[in-house]
Amino acid sequence: RKEVEQDPGPFNVPEGATVAFNCTYSNSASQSFFWYRQDCRKEPKLLMSVYSSGNEDGRFTAQLNRASQYISLLIRDSKLSDSATYLCVVNIGYGGSQGNLIFGKGTKLSVKP
Amino acid sequence: DVKVTQSSRYLVKRTGEKVFLECVQDMDHENMFWYRQDPGLGLRLIYFSYDVKMKEKGDIPEGYSVSREKKERFSLILESASTNQTSMYLCASSSPSSPNSGNTIYFGEGSWLTVV
Repeated sequence: RKEVEQDPGPFNVPEGATVAFNCTYSNSASQSFFWYRQDCRKEPKLLMSVYSSGNEDGRFTAQLNRASQYISLLIRDSKLSDSATYLCVVNIGYGGSQGNLIFGKGTKLSVKP
Repeated sequence: DVKVTQSSRYLVKRTGEKVFLECVQDMDHENMFWYRQDPGLGLRLIYFSYDVKMKEKGDIPEGYSVSREKKERFSLILESASTNQTSMYLCASSSPSSPNSGNTIYFGEGSWLTVV
């Protein structure tokens, strides 16, 4: 199984900072891409999908570079409530009609006052 | 509101005991999954099921089995628990109807298992 790699962090940033997370994937046949957020001792929850054209949701911007097999997440004006672990997730597209999700190990973000 | 429920949140079991982790989803999803999550290792897929009575091995099936007798219920079984199975176990479900099935996967709150 090919892997999804992320910098584990932790990223310690002050409130209001801009922080960027990167993720690389090794399977060039990967079909779709996502960022999940996981709070301490909680389950992962979808933060946003990642599209080739890039997409933005408020303070969050996701980018995909298929040629470089690289995904990024940018958080602007970070808040204390952004403190969590961010998981990069890749759907490699096989394993039945439902596809097959590969999770990165996550990047931990800690936003300080 | 979508719901994946793991009935046992915190368990302590002895080595050699048989352990059942139950998971129920109310979304009529075809696919259900069991993962375990350990520090530094991330989420690892144990087993998944895409239909009733169907099961497929994930990355780390050794020491585990599963049961899917009804669409809404997917059980993880540790036949003889060992200390290296101490972990957080996450159940999830998804529907294959979306072409980007990552955005339809929902997780339960997790079951924290300690084997002593």
